[in-house]
Amino acid sequence: QKEVEQNSGPLSVPEGAIASLNCTYSDRGSQSFFWYRQYSGKSPELIMSIYSNGDKEDGRFTAQLNKASQYVSLLIRDSQPSDSATYLCAVRRTSYDKVIFGPGTSLSVIP
Amino acid sequence: EAQVTQNPRYLITVTGKKLTVTCSQNMNHEYMSWYRQDPGLGLRQIYYSMNVEVTDKGDVPEGYKVSRKEKRNFPLILESPSPNQTSLYFCASSLRQGAGEQYFGPGTRLTVT
Repeated sequence: QKEVEQNSGPLSVPEGAIASLNCTYSDRGSQSFFWYRQYSGKSPELIMSIYSNGDKEDGRFTAQLNKASQYVSLLIRDSQPSDSATYLCAVRRTSYDKVIFGPGTSLSVIP
Repeated sequence: EAQVTQNPRYLITVTGKKLTVTCSQNMNHEYMSWYRQDPGLGLRQIYYSMNVEVTDKGDVPEGYKVSRKEKRNFPLILESPSPNQTSLYFCASSLRQGAGEQYFGPGTRLTVT
């Protein structure tokens, strides 16, 4: 079982819709969770981090964490074509452990 | 401007010809690492360094070497490149190991024929 799993996609949503990206992880002791966005041909950049169960909102982005189910998701409201990218889920066990990346989900927002 | 730089950005080479990819950061970060990114496999860590003269293997270290003689620089060395090392390589830095925000360089696309 891979440590961090994501659907590879591509996930296609129409402009203005909600895009839902999912991630599961295998280490129940994981404490910190991150979402990176990577545009085609570019490097990853951090867009959200979440540490506690529940929702965390930042503009059009909402990260949701359920540690009991070992599941973290990213919702993008009012999706825009500029949101088209690959989204990488990353997980860290403790503050001094390295970050483990998932394979990423490709999102395409159709105008 | 805070940044991580890598050179070269693109490189085509032949099997067995030694090469070095340079990485430099200007944020005084302690932690630096190298990743390779392949379709369907995501980012896999090659080597990392927690500080000057402190390096350790990541998940896929075979065929690579690194050194950390200065805090800002972390070069990746391929002593005898092979075609299976054809990949997109990223250098990244963060304040310390485990820090959530890693700053990535622009990437180096390497092709080994």
